Amino acid sequence: DADVTQTPRNRITKTGKRIMLECSQTKGHDRMYWYRQDPGLGLQLIYYSFDVKDINKGEISDGYSVSRQAQAKFSLSLESAIPNQTALYFCATSDSRQGTYNEQFFGPGTRLTVL
Amino acid sequence: ELKVEQNPLFLSMQEGKNYTIYCNYSTTSDRLYWYRQDPGKSLESLFVLLSNGAVKQEGRLMASLDTKARLSTLHITAAVHDLSATYFCAVDTFQGAQKLVFGQGTRLTINP
Repeated sequence: DADVTQTPRNRITKTGKRIMLECSQTKGHDRMYWYRQDPGLGLQLIYYSFDVKDINKGEISDGYSVSRQAQAKFSLSLESAIPNQTALYFCATSDSRQGTYNEQFFGPGTRLTVL
Repeated sequence: ELKVEQNPLFLSMQEGKNYTIYCNYSTTSDRLYWYRQDPGKSLESLFVLLSNGAVKQEGRLMASLDTKARLSTLHITAAVHDLSATYFCAVDTFQGAQKLVFGQGTRLTINP
């Protein structure tokens, strides 16, 4: 079984719709992240959470919100989707314990298309 | 603000050849990561480099870190087709909030 799972894997939606992407992990990590990847570009950080009560904005948080429902679950919402939010979205996790070096492990990604 | 730049962004090479991908970053950090991404797939962790002079090798790939020059290299030896992928370096901000800043990626194509 995959350690980091994302649902849905593919989603097509229309402009103005609210959409939620979900991430679950069985790695027991305390830190979780949402990234966006556009074609030919690196990854940009949207939001990150270092524990259930800690939520922080990343580089490109406008138009997005998140919820950390439990240590293992971190969801990303697009409040009112727009076409330039069409991208590949990745969830990642890391472990803050000493010796883990903040190495991040990525989920399979969600391909989102906004028409 | 930490910036991470990779070069080249695109690299096409023949099997059997050697080449190096460079990753430069703009502010002090002593943690650098290399990831591989196959088309349409997730990112796979390759190397974690933790200090100046760190060198790690796995098969035909070798990564090194020079924190004084703010430079990491990913060297490919005797390339094979299976190494075709996009390679990303990422640098840990390591100041307060520990976040990764990614380079743009290097798309590597290895031709028979």
